[in-house]
Amino acid sequence: RKEVEQDPGPFNVPEGATVAFNCTYSNSASQSFFWYRQDCRKEPKLLMSVYSSGNEDGRFTAQLNRASQYISLLIRDSKLSDSATYLCVVTGTNAGKSTFGDGTTLTVKP
Amino acid sequence: NAGVTQTPKFQVLKTGQSMTLQCAQDMNHNSMYWYRQDPGMGLRLIYYSASEGTTDKGEVPNGYNVSRLNKREFSLRLESAAPSQTSVYFCASNGQDWQPQHFGDGTRLSIL
Repeated sequence: RKEVEQDPGPFNVPEGATVAFNCTYSNSASQSFFWYRQDCRKEPKLLMSVYSSGNEDGRFTAQLNRASQYISLLIRDSKLSDSATYLCVVTGTNAGKSTFGDGTTLTVKP
Repeated sequence: NAGVTQTPKFQVLKTGQSMTLQCAQDMNHNSMYWYRQDPGMGLRLIYYSASEGTTDKGEVPNGYNVSRLNKREFSLRLESAAPSQTSVYFCASNGQDWQPQHFGDGTRLSIL
């Protein structure tokens, strides 16, 4: 079993839709959690951190459920520019290094 | 803000050639990382350095060597390039293990 697992998708949604991604992690001792965005053939960029209380940044909401060991990302009112691959990242495992999920691909269509 | 700078951005090599990929960060970060990403795949950690003077193997270290030259610079060397090493290579850094990593914009390497 991978340390961090994501549904690879692809998720194809119309503009304006709400879409949610989940990510599960196996190490209960994990310390911190992030969502990254990666555009085709570009570097991953930090989208947002994920806190136990949940956090929101505009149209994006991230949540952490430590008991069930998963994190989620909700995107409301999808835009064409949201089309990308979203990577779930967990740290505090594996000698302190970050573990990246393989990503979930989102395509937002007109 | 430069952040993490990688050079070169593109490189084509012949099988058996050697080369060094350079990475430098100006954020005074302790930890630095090298990843490779093959088409349609996730990131795989090659080597990392938790601090100046230390390096450790990641998931896929075979065929690579690294040098943490100083706090700013972390280089990746291919001693004898093979076609299987054709990939996009990303360097990243962070201040502490639990903090998010910042990535350079990658080196696209093709080995013929």
